[in-house]
Amino acid sequence: AQKITQTQPGMFVQEKEAVTLDCTYDTSDPSYGLFWYKQPSSGEMIFLIYQGSYDQQNATEGRYSLNFQKARKSANLVISASQLGDSAMYFCAMREGESYNTDKLIFGTGTRLQVFP
Amino acid sequence: DAGVIQSPRHEVTEMGQEVTLRCKPISGHDYLFWYRQTMMRGLELLIYFNNNVPIDDSGMPEDRFSAKMPNASFSTLKIQPSEPRDSAVYFCASSWGSGGYYEQYFGPGTRLTVT
Repeated sequence: AQKITQTQPGMFVQEKEAVTLDCTYDTSDPSYGLFWYKQPSSGEMIFLIYQGSYDQQNATEGRYSLNFQKARKSANLVISASQLGDSAMYFCAMREGESYNTDKLIFGTGTRLQVFP
Repeated sequence: DAGVIQSPRHEVTEMGQEVTLRCKPISGHDYLFWYRQTMMRGLELLIYFNNNVPIDDSGMPEDRFSAKMPNASFSTLKIQPSEPRDSAVYFCASSWGSGGYYEQYFGPGTRLTVT
């Protein structure tokens, strides 16, 4: 079974609009962590944002915020005021809890975001 | 800081040849990860090191793959003999602290093509 599911293979958004990229996860451990990484066409993976399962508030980093809904097991990335440079692949990743190897991340299949003028 | 450095950036080789990919992590980082990315399988963790010691190599596909980290500033991933199905982008990443808790810094990747 998929541990991390990103159901949107591709998304389009107009410049300056907000966009939500979906991510659902599957774990039975109460302690886990969720990451979002961006992969532009140049290829390198860039860290965007992190949410711990015990964090009381949704994580935010500049124009990025994470809509964390624990009961639904979802950790959607919200990008506000999209820019052309946001066009890239976006990956959701999870660190499982103490029952597993907590040094490792499991990555989803990614969502390709295209921002148009 | 120069970031994670990988070489070569592109490698084209014939089936059966030995391939060596190289990585220099960010200075001071104590974790180093090797990933492989393909369209079919996505991003897979192959092996990772903590303080130069291999911790988990369960993602290494088979005995043809080996990785070493002789010191804190250098790691290699070797494929011998290479096969066409090894064609992929190989990423090296490093982190200060566990990669499951802290940001991993990725290198630009090595695009390997085996013909």
